[in-house]
This record gives sequence, structure tokens and C-alpha cells, in this order.
Amino acid sequence: DAGVIQSPRHEVTEMGQEVTLRCKPISGHNSLFWYRQTMMRGLELLIYFNNNVPIDDSGMPEDRFSAKMPNASFSTLKIQPSEPRDSAVYFCASSTRDRLGAFFGQGTRLTVV
Amino acid sequence: GNSVTQMEGPVTLSEEAFLTINCTYTATGYPSLFWYVQYPGEGLQLLLKATKADDKGSNKGFEATYRKETTSFHLEKGSVQVSDSAVYFCALSANEKLTFGTGTRLTIIP
Repeated sequence: DAGVIQSPRHEVTEMGQEVTLRCKPISGHNSLFWYRQTMMRGLELLIYFNNNVPIDDSGMPEDRFSAKMPNASFSTLKIQPSEPRDSAVYFCASSTRDRLGAFFGQGTRLTVV
Repeated sequence: GNSVTQMEGPVTLSEEAFLTINCTYTATGYPSLFWYVQYPGEGLQLLLKATKADDKGSNKGFEATYRKETTSFHLEKGSVQVSDSAVYFCALSANEKLTFGTGTRLTIIP
């Protein structure tokens, strides 16, 4: 198995532009998580899905952020418009229901200038 | 709500020293507990886990025991190596939602 695949690995964009981050979870996993990591705030859960349905989006910072999971093998996190304070590493993770932990992708390092 | 508190870093040790990183948790019900490790420029990797009280998780010489009475899951290793330098995260899972501690940066010097 290739693990959780995220793209792109690095993204540099100008303030005000739309940014879309992509994630392919591990096949057979039915939960998917989006996290944001910064030096100041550490690792924050933004949203998670179970069976493609958003269960908890209370961590999404504001309306500029949106996430979708149109099918079991693909999810996107979109920021529109982007701001410099959105600069961070964004991780996607997936898991099964067996309480054995989540598996993380390599992350997308986003820089908004 | 659920929360995880872990010892603040950074922690610096000499090679072959004994390591303990403290972790305590607050949760309703019976969560699963995890330690994750993050090497520079990489994602988090699951290091070890325990799913019920008194379980001991172990991997790569690291160990942690699920202590319900003290709500703790301390990470230990008897003899650390330079290659263990990384950031370590304690986490709990309840109702499929993972909650992480703030992370502890560990540096091992030769």
C-alpha cells in the first residue's frame, strides 16, 4: 500500500488566491482527517469525515476554509481567499474503525506571500 | 472534552541515556492511546499504541503502559540513539476522533 498520498508537497501562492490541497487515503480506511501544523499552535484538527460524511468541522478556522470528500478515495481542502496567516503544513490522515490509530500523509507545506 | 497533556520540551539527552516523556490525558469513556513520532520534514508516524487499561505498547525499543488509575501513558526507552532525535506526540482516540498533545522535541547528542 502506498500510504496516504497528499499533493502538492509544497505550494507557494499570493495572498487572495485560491488554494486546493488534495488527499488520497489508504484504501479501505473509512475515516479521514485534515490537520494543520504551525509552530505557534501545534497540531490542530480542522475537520474529519467518516464514510465520506463530515462529522466534525469545528476546527475549521473560518468560512474561507472548506473541505469535501466526494468519494472514499479522495478529499480536498480549499482555502479561498488565502491569507499569509494560513501558511502552515497541512496533513491528511486516514484510519479504520478498529481503534488502531491513524496514518498520516507527508503533508503539504503552504506558504502564502 | 478530551485532552492530552505532555511534558514540554525541548529535551536533550546524551546517547545511551534513559528516556521518559510524560503524558496524561482526560477523556470520557475508554479511549485508545498512542505515541506518534515526527522526523524533520515528514508526517507523523505511529510509534506504538494501547487500546485498554494495563496494555503495554512497544516498538523500536520504546514502551508505554496504559495506566487508567493515573490517566497516564508515559513513553520510555532504556538507551536512546542519535537517530531517535525527533518530535514525539501523545494522542488519544475516542469516537474515532484523535486528540494530540503539543509535542515534545527530543535531541540526542553523541
